[in-house]
Amino acid sequence: EVQLVESGGGLVQPGGSLRLSCATSGFTFRDYWMLWVRQGPGKGLVWVSRIDSDGISTIYADSVKGRFTISRDNAKNTLFLQMNSLRVEDTAVYYCVRATRYWFDPWGQGTLVTVSS
Amino acid sequence: QSALTQPASVSGSPGQSITISCTGTSSDVGGYNYVSWYQQHPGKAPKLMIYDVTNRPSGVSNRFSGSKSGNTASLTISGLQAEDEADYYCNSYTSSSTWVFGGGTKLTVL
Repeated sequence: EVQLVESGGGLVQPGGSLRLSCATSGFTFRDYWMLWVRQGPGKGLVWVSRIDSDGISTIYADSVKGRFTISRDNAKNTLFLQMNSLRVEDTAVYYCVRATRYWFDPWGQGTLVTVSS
Repeated sequence: QSALTQPASVSGSPGQSITISCTGTSSDVGGYNYVSWYQQHPGKAPKLMIYDVTNRPSGVSNRFSGSKSGNTASLTISGLQAEDEADYYCNSYTSSSTWVFGGGTKLTVL
């Protein structure tokens, strides 16, 4: 069974940093692109970032470019999201997602990040 | 990148059919056959329902179908059931090599 389990969320002050992790199992991690998608409280889904299977190519939404860094450890089947200079508007549930070509399946259960003073 | 446009809400009675639209531009929906649809129940993670405009993953009911015309994609649910009540999001690949979601549609089964 394919599983994606996020961790690392929590409460952080504006301007602070947080590192999210996503432990995966049940599939050959190194063969897939991976993404992060977030959902603010009561809001819709927003694509955040994508990393290719080798970890060489990355791309970000304009709202997080220069502040967030996506990475992966293919030896440990784990995806990461380093979030710096956090803003109140970054408050959201962050989902780890596997990409198959151009669609997203499955999704992790999400981890909540709250940016507040 | 602006979000794709979806109606905020739709409703239907059990057994009826409903259609949710998703309007973008020639740089996303209209330019690629890479539209997907996701169902999200409250407090749960989204679930893939349709990919590449019309394809249904294994395990998804054939009551769900997708289509596209120009810059607008659509999700149709036939034979509405109470369990279909959820939020639905469309998604498209874009000419910037990124992805964009729709704002989401709340489906109410009356």
